[in-house]
Amino acid sequence: LAKTTQPISMDSYEGQEVNITCSHNNIATNDYITWYQQFPSQGPRFIIQGYKTKVTNEVASLFIPADRKSSTLSLPRVSLSDTAVYYCLVVVYSSASKIIFGSGTRLSIRP
Amino acid sequence: DGGITQSPKYLFRKEGQNVTLSCEQNLNHDAMYWYRQDPGQGLRLIYYSQIVNDFQKGDIAEGYSVSREKKESFPLTVTSAQKNPTAFYLCASLDPNYGYTFGSGTRLTVV
Repeated sequence: LAKTTQPISMDSYEGQEVNITCSHNNIATNDYITWYQQFPSQGPRFIIQGYKTKVTNEVASLFIPADRKSSTLSLPRVSLSDTAVYYCLVVVYSSASKIIFGSGTRLSIRP
Repeated sequence: DGGITQSPKYLFRKEGQNVTLSCEQNLNHDAMYWYRQDPGQGLRLIYYSQIVNDFQKGDIAEGYSVSREKKESFPLTVTSAQKNPTAFYLCASLDPNYGYTFGSGTRLTVV
């Protein structure tokens, strides 16, 4: 299982772009990189997933360098409602078994 | 709508009492998971099941038990052997192509 390392917390302001980096030095060839968002007293929800290079959807972008040992979740023009905990997972879903969530990054957005 | 239903939303347990948390899914997913989350912490895996009638211990299985008699259902019993059960419990199922779907959680409190 690839272990991930993320900052414990980050602060930003409304309208700014926020980049959260995740380190996964032991990522395996078949692993995908997935990010989840969790609000207080709710279950995490899927944000974005990628394997290499760049992935973009209506919520975020995910940048993955060629060596895949890290990834960066980019949230454009954040708002107060983006205040949440963000989890980076490295997983092979086809052989999903003991998938581990780390402690995540607590993002606080200020007016 | 397809999803994960957890009940009850809030549960109170007396010392020495067993309680069962319900988790039902109508997503036709094979794999289901139970996680525990303590305040300000990440998710820790209690049990998981990849198919009916089979389940595996996670990192913190002591004091908990599960069953998987039906594909749709994965109930978690918190036994009296769990000495510190007050926490937020999350159930999830997994689609290998799209990742996790989480329920809305059950908050268990010992009184």
